[in-house]
Amino acid sequence: GAGVSQTPSNKVTEKGKYVELRCDPISGHTALYWYRQSLGQGPEFLIYFQGTGAADDSGLPNDRFFAVRPEGSVSTLKIQRTERGDSAVYLCASSEQGMGEQYFGPGTRLTVT
Amino acid sequence: DQQVKQNSPSLSVQEGRISILNCDYTNSMFDYFLWYKKYPAEGPTFLISISSIKDKNEDGRFTVFLNKSAKHLSLHIVPSQPGDSAVYFCAAAPRGSTLGRLYFGRGTQLTVWP
Repeated sequence: GAGVSQTPSNKVTEKGKYVELRCDPISGHTALYWYRQSLGQGPEFLIYFQGTGAADDSGLPNDRFFAVRPEGSVSTLKIQRTERGDSAVYLCASSEQGMGEQYFGPGTRLTVT
Repeated sequence: DQQVKQNSPSLSVQEGRISILNCDYTNSMFDYFLWYKKYPAEGPTFLISISSIKDKNEDGRFTVFLNKSAKHLSLHIVPSQPGDSAVYFCAAAPRGSTLGRLYFGRGTQLTVWP
């Protein structure tokens, strides 16, 4: 079956611009997670959805970051007024019922110039 | 504050030998642990997990050992193969959660040479 997919694979944007990153989880997985990975670091948690609602958004660094999952499937991570420090690989993962292992997508590499 | 620590950024092992990757954690609330493997330009791939009620879990060439008193776990790969060359991440989840967020270490780059 299809794994987690993320689009775009690469995104280059100018400082101050708005970006949207999309995640399509494994079909039937109710839990969806966003992480951010900077160079030389492990994935850092951003937000977790159970169904349509954000069960834990404590990892979002500030109010420029927002994520939605309106129909409980596809999710969009939105970053306003991007800054150079936002440059990283943004990873999405999904799991069944929020239990057990999380399955990751290939990530979106965001570069803010 | 890094709650999951992988203190060896790299490890080099000859093909056929054992690879041992180590991980330490500081949060006593962690009770579920996972290892992921990551190739360049790909997302992390789940390898093996262990619950705190066990001290060992084995899956083929991969075995994870958990020492709760020392807050330490290790991943053993036997025998190591060149295709195992990748970055390995240790991750942990806290007790009582619905396994929401995972806490990751910084990773260890494993190189298996022929």
